[in-house]
Amino acid sequence: LAKTTQPISMDSYEGQEVNITCSHNNIATNDYITWYQQFPSQGPRFIIQGYKTKVTNEVASLFIPADRKSSTLSLPRVSLSDTAVYYCLEDNNDMRFGAGTRLTVKP
Amino acid sequence: GAVVSQHPSWVICKSGTSVKIECRSLDFQATTMFWYRQFPKQSLMLMATSNEGSKATYEQGVEKDKFLINHASLTLSTLTVTSAHPEDSSFYICSARDRRIRPEDEQFFGPGTRLTVL
Repeated sequence: LAKTTQPISMDSYEGQEVNITCSHNNIATNDYITWYQQFPSQGPRFIIQGYKTKVTNEVASLFIPADRKSSTLSLPRVSLSDTAVYYCLEDNNDMRFGAGTRLTVKP
Repeated sequence: GAVVSQHPSWVICKSGTSVKIECRSLDFQATTMFWYRQFPKQSLMLMATSNEGSKATYEQGVEKDKFLINHASLTLSTLTVTSAHPEDSSFYICSARDRRIRPEDEQFFGPGTRLTVL
């Protein structure tokens, strides 16, 4: 069974900031947290990865509190093309995916 | 980022036949490869983990004699669905990673293979 929990779905509108939170209460000391994006009939695509505090790249930010029991993926100013399923993973030795969050961006 | 390819991208076969799916890491050496299966509107389900040169570790409920995995080199892993049946129709995805240098290196996913068994 996957160790992560996320909301099943979220709706947003173009131009808004979207925050998706993932719970990983039993994360191991050597686990990183990685987020992936998946479009229909495609393999998942890496978005961002972090261990603690905040990480930012050209597409997203990742916030991880000190206790590391959760993480929040932040997508600034989403567009229609960001409609996809987003997965968080305790990306070390356990590669089991949770249900993911289906994000729908509306015009 | 690193590139992982899969071949074929889709395949249709008759019930009872075997199908082989290839997964290649094109620009890096993959010490570990993962095979997933995904049904429509569902998440990826891990089938097995394979390390180069050793036998694959299968997840509970996945028949190792039906889903044969071979990871003979650092750039190639194959999944053979033996005696395929319609219920094996699914989207099969592989991923690969190399953590010999950086322990946090993420896995890179292939584009997937759509298998339809008639």
